[in-house]
Amino acid sequence: GAVVSQHPSWVICKSGTSVKIECRSLDFQATTMFWYRQFPKQSLMLMATSNEGSKATYEQGVEKDKFLINHASLTLSTLTVTSAHPEDSSFYICSARVPGGAGDTQYFGPGTRLTVL
Amino acid sequence: GDSVTQMEGPVTLSEEAFLTINCTYTATGYPSLFWYVQYPGEGLQLLLKATKADDKGSNKGFEATYRKETTSFHLEKGSVQVSDSAVYFCALRLTGTASKLTFGTGTRLQVTL
Repeated sequence: GAVVSQHPSWVICKSGTSVKIECRSLDFQATTMFWYRQFPKQSLMLMATSNEGSKATYEQGVEKDKFLINHASLTLSTLTVTSAHPEDSSFYICSARVPGGAGDTQYFGPGTRLTVL
Repeated sequence: GDSVTQMEGPVTLSEEAFLTINCTYTATGYPSLFWYVQYPGEGLQLLLKATKADDKGSNKGFEATYRKETTSFHLEKGSVQVSDSAVYFCALRLTGTASKLTFGTGTRLQVTL
């Protein structure tokens, strides 16, 4: 099946720095990718929808200037957490939508754990 | 708003036991319903789905039936294996919402010998 990778799998950074997380579709092209955030013992919360070649669509309450999303190619979307603070520590998961896939299937990456000190 | 409620885990079962993970939903329209599974160190994988009332999704011995009258989509398996140990997420997607999924909190299943 379709494979989505994320890099890095985990990252620790100092407060005030920026961190970039990459999401790649390895064997298919994805016009749409999604970014989720998951807190411990909570559900995945959709942060934004990333469309190749256009601006991302952010969910209500998500700061677009803090969570910068770039979907510059059909196989790569990046999420940059700018000026990270400890409250940004979380598990970030991306998914990629298979164009024309049966039932509109999304394939998920393994996630990136961000810890901000 | 739309939401999904799952039973809290962890659920610990012996191998070959019967599994039920409850899932109920609240939605303004007629959602499609999904179960995703996340094995350790891996991304979520679609396990099964149902797109309309009374549909039964099934895969790898797991099954779930879309019950509109009880707004439920409980996951069942007749005989679990150690390899089924994972976190299971119930999710819904409303028609016409550009693939936006609403997830439950996930239920961790631990199967022991």
